[in-house]
Amino acid sequence: NAGVTQTPKFQVLKTGQSMTLQCAQDMNHEYMSWYRQDPGMGLRLIHYSVGAGITDQGEVPNGYNVSRSTTEDFPLRLLSAAPSQTSVYFCASKPGGADYGYTFGSGTRLTVV
Amino acid sequence: GQQLNQSPQSMFIQEGEDVSMNCTSSSIFNTWLWYKQDPGEGPVLLIALYKAGELTSNGRLTAQFGITRKDSFLNISASIPSDVGIYFCAGQSGGSQGNLIFGKGTKLSVKP
Repeated sequence: NAGVTQTPKFQVLKTGQSMTLQCAQDMNHEYMSWYRQDPGMGLRLIHYSVGAGITDQGEVPNGYNVSRSTTEDFPLRLLSAAPSQTSVYFCASKPGGADYGYTFGSGTRLTVV
Repeated sequence: GQQLNQSPQSMFIQEGEDVSMNCTSSSIFNTWLWYKQDPGEGPVLLIALYKAGELTSNGRLTAQFGITRKDSFLNISASIPSDVGIYFCAGQSGGSQGNLIFGKGTKLSVKP
């Protein structure tokens, strides 16, 4: 049981480049979310999904796109990377219903130069 | 938007000491959770609280859901070196699709 798997662990992009951060979970969780973590800022919600085919914006969605074609996968796309997107990105998932124990991946550290 | 005020920001304690940290909000939450993050890793859930006034323990950790539903605290008793890390509180309010609002974290350092 791998839990939540994020790839890559580290990435350096040039300003303007695009890329996709991958997230996969093998727990059949309905809910999946993407957060970014910046020093002293805690974790802020970028986008989330409550099931396959359903996505919505979180607190800081600008510059990011998501899709949820399967229950297992929830990729995060950076359309045109900017230095302000330098951050650590975490994907998380949880079952639907009253259990709010999100399981987090180990993160992707992204640097935009 | 909703915000959680978590304090203290950091703590330097001696091994064996007890630790206390808390979170407050101007908004009501239905659920409070406490996570711990080790360096280079994602947050790991420590304790979840679902009812106002609820007091829950997990080994040396004890957390409470405030009666007003606007605050929560986490206590760690008899700290050990492996308690080092960043502790986050998170709250979930009704109608938010299960999404969590996180505090900014308490960084705990333990001197052996």
